Amino acid sequence: DGGITQSPKYLFRKEGQNVTLSCEQNLNHDAMYWYRQDPGQGLRLIYYSQIVNDFQKGDIAEGYSVSREKKESFPLTVTSAQKNPTAFYLCASNRGGDYGYTFGSGTRLTVV
Amino acid sequence: GQNIDQPTEMTATEGAIVQINCTYQTSGFNGLFWYQQHAGEAPTFLSYNVLDGLEEKGRFSSFLSRSKGYSYLLLKELQMKDSASYLCAVWSRGGNKLTFGTGTQLKVEL
Repeated sequence: DGGITQSPKYLFRKEGQNVTLSCEQNLNHDAMYWYRQDPGQGLRLIYYSQIVNDFQKGDIAEGYSVSREKKESFPLTVTSAQKNPTAFYLCASNRGGDYGYTFGSGTRLTVV
Repeated sequence: GQNIDQPTEMTATEGAIVQINCTYQTSGFNGLFWYQQHAGEAPTFLSYNVLDGLEEKGRFSSFLSRSKGYSYLLLKELQMKDSASYLCAVWSRGGNKLTFGTGTQLKVEL
Protein backbone atom coordinates (compact mmCIF):
# COMPACT_ATOMS: atom_id res chain seq x y z
CA ASP A 1 0.00 0.00 0.00
CA GLY A 2 1.20 3.49 -0.77
CA GLY A 3 1.69 6.03 1.96
CA ILE A 4 4.00 8.28 3.92
CA THR A 5 6.27 6.97 6.64
CA GLN A 6 7.68 9.21 9.32
CA SER A 7 10.30 8.05 11.75
CA PRO A 8 10.90 7.96 14.58
CA LYS A 9 7.49 8.32 16.24
CA TYR A 10 9.08 9.77 19.38
CA LEU A 11 12.40 11.62 19.53
CA PHE A 12 14.27 13.16 22.43
CA ARG A 13 16.94 15.76 21.89
CA LYS A 14 19.40 17.34 24.23
CA GLU A 15 19.79 21.08 24.04
CA GLY A 16 22.43 22.10 21.51
CA GLN A 17 22.04 18.99 19.36
CA ASN A 18 20.86 18.74 15.79
CA VAL A 19 18.33 16.00 15.00
CA THR A 20 16.93 14.78 11.70
CA LEU A 21 13.35 13.62 11.18
CA SER A 22 12.73 11.20 8.36
CA CYS A 23 9.88 11.36 5.85
CA GLU A 24 9.54 8.83 3.02
CA GLN A 25 6.67 8.42 0.54
CA ASN A 26 5.96 5.82 -2.12
CA LEU A 27 3.00 7.64 -3.66
CA ASN A 28 5.04 9.15 -6.49
CA HIS A 29 3.94 12.60 -5.33
CA ASP A 30 5.92 15.60 -6.51
CA ALA A 31 5.23 17.97 -3.62
CA MET A 32 6.18 17.39 0.02
CA TYR A 33 5.72 19.52 3.13
CA TRP A 34 6.78 19.84 6.75
CA TYR A 35 4.46 21.31 9.36
CA ARG A 36 4.86 21.92 13.05
CA GLN A 37 2.00 21.69 15.54
CA ASP A 38 2.09 22.99 19.09
CA PRO A 39 -0.49 21.97 21.73
CA GLY A 40 -3.91 23.39 20.95
CA GLN A 41 -2.65 24.99 17.77
CA GLY A 42 -3.10 24.50 14.07
CA LEU A 43 -0.38 23.44 11.65
CA ARG A 44 2.35 25.91 10.71
CA LEU A 45 4.39 25.42 7.54
CA ILE A 46 8.15 25.02 7.96
CA TYR A 47 9.41 24.07 4.48
CA TYR A 48 7.98 22.64 1.32
CA SER A 49 9.29 21.20 -1.92
CA GLN A 50 7.53 21.12 -5.28
CA ILE A 51 10.14 19.04 -7.12
CA VAL A 52 13.42 17.26 -6.50
CA ASN A 53 16.39 19.49 -5.68
CA ASP A 54 14.16 22.48 -4.96
CA PHE A 55 12.48 23.69 -1.77
CA GLN A 56 11.01 26.88 -0.31
CA LYS A 57 10.78 28.35 3.16
CA GLY A 58 7.43 28.33 4.86
CA ASP A 59 6.22 30.64 7.60
CA ILE A 60 8.55 29.40 10.37
CA ALA A 61 11.73 28.14 8.64
CA GLU A 62 14.26 29.65 11.08
CA GLY A 63 16.24 26.97 12.89
CA TYR A 64 15.29 24.23 10.42
CA SER A 65 16.85 22.84 7.25
CA VAL A 66 15.70 20.36 4.60
CA SER A 67 16.95 18.54 1.51
CA ARG A 68 15.17 16.94 -1.44
CA GLU A 69 17.70 14.77 -3.20
CA LYS A 70 15.17 12.07 -4.09
CA LYS A 71 11.50 12.31 -4.95
CA GLU A 72 10.63 9.84 -2.20
CA SER A 73 12.46 11.53 0.65
CA PHE A 74 12.21 14.91 2.40
CA PRO A 75 14.16 14.87 5.69
CA LEU A 76 13.90 17.73 8.16
CA THR A 77 16.81 18.75 10.39
CA VAL A 78 16.03 20.62 13.58
CA THR A 79 19.15 22.57 14.38
CA SER A 80 20.41 23.98 17.66
CA ALA A 81 19.36 27.39 16.37
CA GLN A 82 15.71 26.42 16.88
CA LYS A 83 15.08 27.72 20.38
CA ASN A 84 11.81 25.98 21.07
CA PRO A 85 11.78 22.72 19.11
CA THR A 86 9.46 20.67 21.33
CA ALA A 87 6.42 20.01 19.12
CA PHE A 88 4.57 17.49 16.95
CA TYR A 89 6.01 17.41 13.42
CA LEU A 90 3.92 16.31 10.45
CA CYS A 91 5.10 15.49 6.95
CA ALA A 92 2.68 15.54 4.03
CA SER A 93 2.70 15.03 0.30
CA ASN A 94 0.50 16.11 -2.58
CA ARG A 95 0.29 14.80 -6.12
CA GLY A 96 -0.24 18.26 -7.50
CA GLY A 97 -3.07 20.70 -7.84
CA ASP A 98 -5.92 20.84 -5.39
CA TYR A 99 -6.02 17.20 -4.32
CA GLY A 100 -5.16 17.93 -0.73
CA TYR A 101 -2.57 16.24 1.40
CA THR A 102 -1.65 12.75 2.46
CA PHE A 103 -0.14 12.94 5.94
CA GLY A 104 2.43 10.83 7.73
CA SER A 105 1.71 9.70 11.28
CA GLY A 106 3.94 12.38 12.82
CA THR A 107 7.03 12.63 15.01
CA ARG A 108 6.82 14.01 18.52
CA LEU A 109 10.07 15.80 19.39
CA THR A 110 10.93 16.64 22.97
CA VAL A 111 13.95 18.58 24.20
CA VAL A 112 15.36 17.17 27.45
CA GLY B 1 -0.94 36.98 3.59
CA GLN B 2 -3.73 34.75 4.78
CA ASN B 3 -5.90 34.85 7.86
CA ILE B 4 -8.14 31.96 8.91
CA ASP B 5 -10.42 32.12 11.95
CA GLN B 6 -12.26 29.33 13.75
CA PRO B 7 -13.74 29.07 17.24
CA THR B 8 -11.29 27.53 19.68
CA GLU B 9 -13.66 25.14 21.43
CA MET B 10 -17.21 23.82 21.10
CA THR B 11 -19.26 21.39 23.13
CA ALA B 12 -22.26 19.42 21.89
CA THR B 13 -24.46 16.53 22.96
CA GLU B 14 -24.39 13.04 21.52
CA GLY B 15 -27.02 12.69 18.79
CA ALA B 16 -27.22 16.43 18.18
CA ILE B 17 -26.07 18.60 15.26
CA VAL B 18 -23.13 21.00 15.45
CA GLN B 19 -21.89 23.63 13.01
CA ILE B 20 -18.24 24.71 13.03
CA ASN B 21 -17.59 28.00 11.25
CA CYS B 22 -14.49 29.17 9.45
CA THR B 23 -13.81 32.60 7.98
CA TYR B 24 -10.83 33.38 5.83
CA GLN B 25 -9.08 36.24 4.09
CA THR B 26 -6.70 35.21 1.37
CA SER B 27 -5.34 36.12 -2.02
CA GLY B 28 -5.60 33.57 -4.78
CA PHE B 29 -8.21 31.34 -3.14
CA ASN B 30 -8.36 27.94 -4.80
CA GLY B 31 -10.39 25.79 -2.44
CA LEU B 32 -11.07 24.98 1.20
CA PHE B 33 -10.46 21.75 3.08
CA TRP B 34 -11.75 20.39 6.37
CA TYR B 35 -9.70 17.86 8.31
CA GLN B 36 -10.40 15.91 11.49
CA GLN B 37 -7.57 15.33 13.94
CA HIS B 38 -7.69 13.14 17.03
CA ALA B 39 -5.17 13.87 19.75
CA GLY B 40 -1.66 12.73 18.88
CA GLU B 41 -2.63 11.61 15.39
CA ALA B 42 -2.31 12.98 11.88
CA PRO B 43 -5.20 14.93 10.35
CA THR B 44 -7.59 12.97 8.14
CA PHE B 45 -9.46 14.42 5.16
CA LEU B 46 -13.14 15.21 5.59
CA SER B 47 -14.19 17.49 2.75
CA TYR B 48 -13.13 19.84 -0.02
CA ASN B 49 -15.07 22.82 -1.42
CA VAL B 50 -13.99 24.87 -4.40
CA LEU B 51 -17.39 26.12 -5.62
CA ASP B 52 -20.11 27.86 -3.61
CA GLY B 53 -22.67 25.60 -2.03
CA LEU B 54 -23.12 22.57 0.13
CA GLU B 55 -21.23 19.28 -0.19
CA GLU B 56 -22.79 16.38 1.69
CA LYS B 57 -20.99 13.20 2.67
CA GLY B 58 -22.83 10.99 5.10
CA ARG B 59 -23.11 12.60 8.53
CA PHE B 60 -20.73 15.41 7.49
CA SER B 61 -21.52 18.35 5.21
CA SER B 62 -19.45 21.38 4.28
CA PHE B 63 -20.57 24.72 2.90
CA LEU B 64 -18.63 27.45 1.10
CA SER B 65 -19.37 31.06 0.20
CA ARG B 66 -16.43 32.54 -1.67
CA SER B 67 -17.88 36.04 -1.78
CA LYS B 68 -18.16 36.09 2.02
CA GLY B 69 -14.93 34.21 2.73
CA TYR B 70 -16.93 31.78 4.84
CA SER B 71 -17.27 28.05 5.28
CA TYR B 72 -18.86 25.74 7.79
CA LEU B 73 -18.66 22.07 8.66
CA LEU B 74 -21.91 20.47 9.78
CA LEU B 75 -21.83 17.27 11.80
CA LYS B 76 -25.12 15.41 12.29
CA GLU B 77 -26.08 12.61 14.67
CA LEU B 78 -23.02 13.30 16.79
CA GLN B 79 -21.16 10.35 18.24
CA MET B 80 -18.62 10.25 21.05
CA LYS B 81 -15.91 9.36 18.53
CA ASP B 82 -16.50 12.73 16.84
CA SER B 83 -14.70 14.38 19.76
CA ALA B 84 -11.63 15.75 17.99
CA SER B 85 -10.08 18.89 16.57
CA TYR B 86 -11.47 20.13 13.26
CA LEU B 87 -9.08 22.06 11.03
CA CYS B 88 -10.10 24.46 8.30
CA ALA B 89 -7.43 24.88 5.61
CA VAL B 90 -7.24 27.10 2.53
CA TRP B 91 -5.53 26.12 -0.70
CA SER B 92 -3.95 29.06 -2.48
CA ARG B 93 -3.04 29.39 -6.12
CA GLY B 94 0.59 29.89 -6.91
CA GLY B 95 1.87 28.52 -3.64
CA ASN B 96 0.59 24.97 -4.02
CA LYS B 97 0.23 24.67 -0.25
CA LEU B 98 -2.37 24.62 2.49
CA THR B 99 -2.68 27.25 5.20
CA PHE B 100 -4.42 25.95 8.31
CA GLY B 101 -6.57 27.63 10.91
CA THR B 102 -5.83 26.96 14.56
CA GLY B 103 -8.52 24.29 14.74
CA THR B 104 -11.75 23.88 16.70
CA GLN B 105 -11.68 21.39 19.56
CA LEU B 106 -15.07 19.67 19.65
CA LYS B 107 -16.17 17.82 22.75
CA VAL B 108 -19.17 15.51 22.48
CA GLU B 109 -20.92 14.80 25.77
CA LEU B 110 -23.58 12.31 26.80
